[in-house]
Amino acid sequence: GAVVSQHPSWVICKSGTSVKIECRSLDFQATTMFWYRQFPKQSLMLMATSNEGSKATYEQGVEKDKFLINHASLTLSTLTVTSAHPEDSSFYICSARLQRGRSYNEQFFGPGTRLTVL
Amino acid sequence: DAKTTQPPSMDCAEGRAANLPCNHSTISGNEYVYWYRQIHSQGPQYIIHGLKNNETNEMASLIITEDRKSSTLILPHATLRDTAVYYCIVRASNTGNQFYFGTGTSLTVIP
Repeated sequence: GAVVSQHPSWVICKSGTSVKIECRSLDFQATTMFWYRQFPKQSLMLMATSNEGSKATYEQGVEKDKFLINHASLTLSTLTVTSAHPEDSSFYICSARLQRGRSYNEQFFGPGTRLTVL
Repeated sequence: DAKTTQPPSMDCAEGRAANLPCNHSTISGNEYVYWYRQIHSQGPQYIIHGLKNNETNEMASLIITEDRKSSTLILPHATLRDTAVYYCIVRASNTGNQFYFGTGTSLTVIP
């Protein structure tokens, strides 16, 4: 159980276009999901926290108008990279929080989406 | 969340135990130690976590020192498929907060 999927697994787009990436919790409901970005040979960098039914919370230095996050249901969060440029090329990974009881939760990660902007 | 320090890389012979250390000297009393690993071009995979007692599951064992300032992840019989970057993360589990990843340890299992 506790599977998180992402779609697409990879995408290539032209500079200036927008790209939407989906993150789904397949067998559990997630009120909170997280979006990370990973450049080659670097660690995962948290971009934002996505809360179902409310606005996302962005980490310092992440442009909220460029990386639009929507968490419209308990099983789906989307990240839209608007007006993508080559420097946005990266590996985007989401995770979903599974609450177990009142005081404990776990996070499960998706397989990632490779974005290449030409 | 407390910071962690890990060696950047390690090698291990196939079939031998891999012992991956992590220092977290500023850990607080309510913070857990989590271990994840990331195989190339995949999402992180949960391995194990613990608070103060040693833990074991089907993947690995986690040894936490008595003062909780460091821990060791043990893969008892490393295989080539265990080659990955291993991340040690300290976080208060009940906060619901996100994970902040450090640089991790790149483990290479050698045939």
